[in-house]
Amino acid sequence: DADVTQTPRNRITKTGKRIMLECSQTKGHDRMYWYRQDPGLGLRLIYYSFDVKDINKGEISDGYSVSRQAQAKFSLSLESAIPNQTALYFCATSERGLGYTFGSGTRLTVV
Amino acid sequence: AQSVTQLGSHVSVSEGALVLLRCNYSSSVPPYLFWYVQYPNQGLQLLLKYTSAATLVKGINGFEAEFKKSETSFHLTKPSAHMSDAAEYFCAVSDPGGGADGLTFGKGTHLIIQP
Repeated sequence: DADVTQTPRNRITKTGKRIMLECSQTKGHDRMYWYRQDPGLGLRLIYYSFDVKDINKGEISDGYSVSRQAQAKFSLSLESAIPNQTALYFCATSERGLGYTFGSGTRLTVV
Repeated sequence: AQSVTQLGSHVSVSEGALVLLRCNYSSSVPPYLFWYVQYPNQGLQLLLKYTSAATLVKGINGFEAEFKKSETSFHLTKPSAHMSDAAEYFCAVSDPGGGADGLTFGKGTHLIIQP
């Protein structure tokens, strides 16, 4: 099994729908992150979490929310999806900033 | 705040030629620096990282990078390009004070290998 697992791998949803992207890890890392990748823009940080009780906004948090259900689980929600949220989403974990492990990504299309 | 600039959104080299991908960073403190590679339809794979040890860092697949504080650079090189090196490459920086807010990425460089 992968160290960082993202589900689903691909998702097509309609404008206005609520959608949740899930991430689970077996690394035992406290820190977890959600990034968004757009062509020509690189990866941008949406939210990050130090532990279950510590959630922080990243560079582009508007339109997104997160939930840290347990040390190993970090979910990203789009409350009302819009087409410009079409992107590749990555979850990552970190061991005190020394090493980062990325999931395989979720490709989200909002139509 | 940290930032990363990757010069050249696309770089094309001939097979067997030197690969040079440029990365400059801005950070208020000595940073940790990373290079990642992304093959088509795949996730991110770590090539190498600098975490304040040796300034010349060797990574996987024959890549290496040199941290130059005076130039605020961390350029990625490979002596001889191979067709399998064609991919998107990302430079990233983090705050070594625990990496509190994760990695800040450059916009990426698409490496094209000409036969």
